[in-house]
Amino acid sequence: DAGITQSPRHKVTETGTPVTLRCHQTENHRYMYWYRQDPGHGLRLIHYSYGVKDTDKGEVSDGYSVSRSKTEDFLLTLESATSSQTSVYFCAISESDVSNQPQHFGDGTRLSIL
Amino acid sequence: AQSVTQLDSHVSVSEGTPVLLRCNYSSSYSPSLFWYVQHPNKGLQLLLKYTSAATLVKGINGFEAEFKKSETSFHLTKPSAHMSDAAEYFCVVSAPVLTGGGNKLTFGTGTQLKVEL
Repeated sequence: DAGITQSPRHKVTETGTPVTLRCHQTENHRYMYWYRQDPGHGLRLIHYSYGVKDTDKGEVSDGYSVSRSKTEDFLLTLESATSSQTSVYFCAISESDVSNQPQHFGDGTRLSIL
Repeated sequence: AQSVTQLDSHVSVSEGTPVLLRCNYSSSYSPSLFWYVQHPNKGLQLLLKYTSAATLVKGINGFEAEFKKSETSFHLTKPSAHMSDAAEYFCVVSAPVLTGGGNKLTFGTGTQLKVEL
């Protein structure tokens, strides 16, 4: 299995509080991604990174920000959490941008916002 | 633009019988296609990938998929289901369209496979 660790694995918090999720990889892969998984939607891309300090938005980026100060760490921040951000969040990594290279996923963070 | 349609949200089979999970796709690019499996409370695990080298692709745990361009399909099959195959399966198409590089994955909505004794 790819060396991807997500933390925390579970979190419950209140509306309006800031939340940071961490993705740590030991594979030295250049590309990292954050997805959210909701019933009936599959996984949707929130933000991605193509190198240290290089990030861009995905299809559902509103209300989220990211940072990547080291190759191995990719942080996802909800500045002021809302109930609509209750979801399961997955981090993924890939070695290259060739389209036939698969992404490898962490085990996810289950986030509940009350 | 790209999209994926998984034609069945739930499939139920008996142990030892064949499995068929259906997927249709559309893509503006020569497609790269994947099947992933997700067991409860776990991440997604790659089952197999199609990358234009061969239309019949073999994956892990006895699964295989056939790419049919004329039908824009990439159905997943297994000759004999096992109880441990019970999980959710996602068909995914990839395209190199992200700014700065990286691949955009477009997921189907998933098929829940139930395996009964």
